[in-house]
Amino acid sequence: GEDVEQSLFLSVREGDSSVINCTYTDSSSTYLYWYKQEPGAGLQLLTYIFSNMDMKQDQRLTVLLNKKDKHLSLRIADTQTGDSAIYFCAEGNQGGKLIFGQGTELSVKP
Amino acid sequence: NAGVTQTPKFRVLKTGQSMTLLCAQDMNHEYMYWYRQDPGMGLRLIHYSVGEGTTAKGEVPDGYNVSRLKKQNFLLGLESAAPSQTSVYFCASGDDGNIQYFGAGTRLSVL
Repeated sequence: GEDVEQSLFLSVREGDSSVINCTYTDSSSTYLYWYKQEPGAGLQLLTYIFSNMDMKQDQRLTVLLNKKDKHLSLRIADTQTGDSAIYFCAEGNQGGKLIFGQGTELSVKP
Repeated sequence: NAGVTQTPKFRVLKTGQSMTLLCAQDMNHEYMYWYRQDPGMGLRLIHYSVGEGTTAKGEVPDGYNVSRLKKQNFLLGLESAAPSQTSVYFCASGDDGNIQYFGAGTRLSVL
């Protein structure tokens, strides 16, 4: 079945770049998403990329998609302590259902 | 601009009790979803709706029922709560099935 995998933890220093990786299995995915979850809060849509794109940049965020390898990454430039959160990768198809990864907990140390 | 609102925010139930979680959205979205979030497992889809009066099963529907009598509301019911249903429940809505906007969640404990 469809599956999305992420590493569970990432620790970086403030000011460094963070790269969070994700692999997925469904080649028919139309959109791929990154959501951010702060403690005790819901999921906030950070960015998304259409499956026919390779890259999308939005201020400090860069999303790279390697469709051949089914690999998605989220790069956060100049990471700040306020970026500490859990980041979820998700794939979606035309049915409107999302499959989420387990989430990557990003810890930013001052 | 409320977006997606979930009530209640917290609830403790005893095994066998019933309850209904309410999700309301003010964005006139057609699609609505209920997920549960458990440690180390990401979010899993319980049920969803593609429009008023419609519902469909997701990945983990057993033990839950839903209703979408009004476009803006999506109700999730637990008829006989079990400890395995202890979780954080998230509602989401979307206008085209692609972008989903989430509520703040309901933390449910079943003792």
